[in-house]
Amino acid sequence: DAGVTQSPTHLIKTRGQQVTLRCSPKSGHDTVSWYQQALGQGPQFIFQYYEEEERQRGNFPDRFSGHQFPNYSSELNVNALLLGDSALYLCASSLVSLIDTQYFGPGTRLTVL
Amino acid sequence: DQQVKQNSPSLSVQEGRISILNCDYTNSMFDYFLWYKKYPAEGPTFLISISSIKDKNEDGRFTVFLNKSAKHLSLHIVPSQPGDSAVYFCAASGTGNTPLVFGKGTRLSVIA
Repeated sequence: DAGVTQSPTHLIKTRGQQVTLRCSPKSGHDTVSWYQQALGQGPQFIFQYYEEEERQRGNFPDRFSGHQFPNYSSELNVNALLLGDSALYLCASSLVSLIDTQYFGPGTRLTVL
Repeated sequence: DQQVKQNSPSLSVQEGRISILNCDYTNSMFDYFLWYKKYPAEGPTFLISISSIKDKNEDGRFTVFLNKSAKHLSLHIVPSQPGDSAVYFCAASGTGNTPLVFGKGTRLSVIA
């Protein structure tokens, strides 16, 4: 049983560019959450998707957007990249009925130059 | 404003001894608390949780204690093993499936 998978593993972009990160949830899970983990910080909630809709959103600007597909996989898009967007982006999946028990993927390391 | 605080960035413990990791929170609406463990190049892994209706939850070598009046929780690992060396994150959520709020983490090093 595959766990949460994310792609790519690493990514280097320049300021102003756009990036798309991908996540496949653990088998059977219907809810996907995205987190940003800056260096030396804990994961910070970006948003959560269920039934292809954004259910909750953290304190992140509109440059951060997402999508969930019918197979429950998800994308995180960031436009107009800033240096401060450099971080580890974590995807977590869960069942909507057990939302607190989240399973995390290994993350995508984004570096903005 | 940090709602979940882990004030010790690092902790070093000898193998076989007890490791105690601490976490404080400020939001009285939090009613569910979790600990995650993170190894390098891996995502956080769920370790143990506790509901606000309890003051203790135990799972093998891991025990979490919750003191609601002090808004404080702690994770005890007994006995500590070298494989426990990792970053430990405390997280909290409120009722209604609110998002998890994480602390900054504590890096535990268990020395053989």
